[in-house]
Amino acid sequence: GENVEQHPSTLSVQEGDSAVIKCTYSDSASNYFPWYKQELGKGPQLIIDIRSNVGEKKDQRIAVTLNKTAKHFSLHITETQPEDSAVYFCAASADNYGQNFVFGPGTRLSVLP
Amino acid sequence: SAVISQKPSRDICQRGTSLTIQCQVDSQVTMMFWYRQQPGQSLTLIATANQGSEATYESGFVIDKFPISRPNLTFSTLTVSNMSPEDSSIYLCSVVIQGGGQPQHFGDGTRLSIL
Repeated sequence: GENVEQHPSTLSVQEGDSAVIKCTYSDSASNYFPWYKQELGKGPQLIIDIRSNVGEKKDQRIAVTLNKTAKHFSLHITETQPEDSAVYFCAASADNYGQNFVFGPGTRLSVLP
Repeated sequence: SAVISQKPSRDICQRGTSLTIQCQVDSQVTMMFWYRQQPGQSLTLIATANQGSEATYESGFVIDKFPISRPNLTFSTLTVSNMSPEDSSIYLCSVVIQGGGQPQHFGDGTRLSIL
């Protein structure tokens, strides 16, 4: 089955700097890759996603890149703000698996003012 | 997206008892899932809740311990049975609004502590 690894497990950046979180997956059949942000006491919230027919997607300060050959995808946050502090999870899914998501272990991002 | 409400938001229970968690969505959805998130950990899929039929459980999870119902397209329940301290976790409901590789949207979860 699918296995998703995520690095780093913790990340501290200064406000205004960029943050990058990387995930690797094992199943070449995976074709949908969402990223979730989980704040304390809340459920995971979808922040951006990418499909395997696209190499990059951007939404304001957030971008995701996908390398299908190497089986990895990354989340990029620019101009970080204190409210970006949260736990971020990547996930991988294949349509033919009924949208079952396999989640990475998570990255705790701290943005220091 | 959809508004997903989970009840209760948190509870403290005695070992050996059972608790039923409700998940209500404000619109019809194609798929509903239940996850467990142990303290400081990632999300683990318990089962897919199927409307009008038995849920589909992942390896390591069984119906006797986690019975699930889904009577319609907007509501599901998860029961945690015969609880032990190891069941202390956050239990999350998620939904897919439409089929075909669409994102899952999560409720805020039920924080369960077993004494």
